[in-house]
Parts: sequence; C-alpha cells; structure tokens
Amino acid sequence: EIVLTQSPATLSLSPGERATLSCRASQDVATYLAWYQQKPGQAPRLLISDASDRATGIPARFAGSGSGTDFTLTISSLEPEDFAVYYCQQRSVWPVITFGQGTRLEI
Amino acid sequence: QVQLQESGPGLVKPSGTLSLTCDVSGVSISSPNWWNWVRQTPGRGLEWLGDIYHRGDINYNPSLEGRVTMSLDKSKNQFSLTLTSVTVADTAVYYCARGPGSVTSILDSWGPGSLVTVTS
Repeated sequence: EIVLTQSPATLSLSPGERATLSCRASQDVATYLAWYQQKPGQAPRLLISDASDRATGIPARFAGSGSGTDFTLTISSLEPEDFAVYYCQQRSVWPVITFGQGTRLEI
Repeated sequence: QVQLQESGPGLVKPSGTLSLTCDVSGVSISSPNWWNWVRQTPGRGLEWLGDIYHRGDINYNPSLEGRVTMSLDKSKNQFSLTLTSVTVADTAVYYCARGPGSVTSILDSWGPGSLVTVTS
C-alpha cells in the first residue's frame, strides 16, 4: 500500500500570508495525486486533481505542484475561509485509494 | 449538479451488520462513474472502503475484504454499503462519493456524511 505523509501536521499562519503544505508518497505515484479541503462538520471538497489541475470553482490562489513522490499545495494569500484541514490522496496503483493524515491550517 | 446523501441507522450493535444507502441526484448512477464509500475516524483519518462502477464492477479495500459488500439500485438511483461483523473500530463518519468517469483517481462529489456508532 502506498503511504502518503503530510507535513507539517499543523501550520499556524495569518490571513494574507502564503501557505505551503507538503505531501510525500512512499513510492512513485506519477501525478495521480489530489488535494482536498475539509472544514468542521463537512465532507472533504476536491481542490486539485492530477497534482496541479484546479477543480471547478476553486480560486486561483490554490496551486498544486509536484510529481513522483513529492507534492506541494500552495495557497498564495490566505483568506479567512481557507483555515481548515487539507488532505492529499492518491490512486496510482488501481484500485486502492489512500489518503494522507492531513495538515491542519490554523490562524 | 451532482448531490449525494447518506442514510441509515446511526447505531449498530457489535457483531452486527452496518447498512447504509446513498441517494444520488443530478446524475444517473447508470452513467459511467465509480460510486465510492469512504469513512473517517479521528484515529485512522480518511479510509477508502471501495467503489462500484455503473456496470457493477466492484473494488474493495483489501483490509475489509470479506466483510464489505456494495451494490447498486438503478431503479432508485442509489447505491449501498453493507459491513458485517462490526466492532467499535468501525465507528466512524461514513461518506459516499463519486469518482467521475470510467477511469478516475479522484472523488469530485461527496455526501455530507453519516455518523455510525457501534455500541451495545
């Protein structure tokens, strides 16, 4: 099973600052990596697919990059509504989907 | 707009069977999509349980194989999850989600989630 390790576990920043979240895969996943945002009491929401493609309706301040085993989600200028938990997810070896353990972005 | 909604008992006894249904609106489950179940616990995070294709092809998480069953009900535009021999470790929020298309690695629409507690 491919393991995804996210860092840091918690990131404390202020609105307007830049956030950089990391996801490392235990083996090559090419670009079969997605990012999700989850707010308390809500389901995860798809932000990024295929490592760098923003999902429909996702603001341009969210950007994904990377390939192979190292991936980054960057939020260029934090808005108050961006404080949430972020998960990476992969499905490079069909059919199993795995998720990272999450990064909590807090004010 | 695709919408999903989970339903089912919130309490299940240990060694019993957990059954959930996901009602889908905005798209036919007979269209080429994969219909998924994911659960979430504070300790294990997000765990993919499996998915079922509109034609009936099924994939299960190997960690659950033998206890999990998924099915489609095209007449009701819904799909279902059954998990047998449950323990307290199966207490979780259960989500249904769509994997769009015939070959997909993402989950682009999710239900709000259903809390299931395993307790005697």
